[in-house]
Amino acid sequence: TQLLEQSPQFLSIQEGENLTVYCNSSSVFSSLQWYRQEPGEGPVLLVTVVTGGEVKKLKRLTFQFGDARKDSSLHITAAQPGDTGLYLCAGAKSNTGKLIFGQGTTLQVKP
Amino acid sequence: GAGVSQSPSNKVTEKGKDVELRCDPISGHTALYWYRQSLGQGLEFLIYFQGNSAPDKSGLPSDRFSAERTGGSVSTLTIQRTQQEDSAVYLCASSLDMNTEAFFGQGTRLTVV
Repeated sequence: TQLLEQSPQFLSIQEGENLTVYCNSSSVFSSLQWYRQEPGEGPVLLVTVVTGGEVKKLKRLTFQFGDARKDSSLHITAAQPGDTGLYLCAGAKSNTGKLIFGQGTTLQVKP
Repeated sequence: GAGVSQSPSNKVTEKGKDVELRCDPISGHTALYWYRQSLGQGLEFLIYFQGNSAPDKSGLPSDRFSAERTGGSVSTLTIQRTQQEDSAVYLCASSLDMNTEAFFGQGTRLTVV
């Protein structure tokens, strides 16, 4: 059972376009994390959102945690080729020590 | 070390052989996690350690998989009688404790032929 559904799974866009990646679940999480992974590397944490309705901005990236803490979105403005990579969301449940990962979104930004 | 270190970075093994994968976490991190990732996919939880104990082994795919952690530091993931479906990247992560940011190693790419 996939607890975190991530969409879209693949996205190919032109430089300068905007995009949104969604992460949805029927479960409530204590926090939700977004990672970016490049080929041959481990995932690198971008942001952690904890409070329902929370919005965090990291330069051109905007992360939002749903009010009910079941879903999240990542919006990238004016995408650049350097944004290319695999984006992963991961939900944490309190005191379980386990992150549940979505399937990932492979983003390709063409110059 | 500065980050999580995994060895070997690549391992090719014959079907039926046993393999051991090693993870050196960041010094002082009490929590350690093992995940498995198939090509271009998300991460599948295998097991996590708090200190030397493993409170949650629910993700281990079969009894061919086992893991241990000694001295609250290095961990090894052992796969016995490897099968082709075991081929994947095995990622290790560590964190200060189980509710803080996890840092990942570069992974071990296992290929069973």
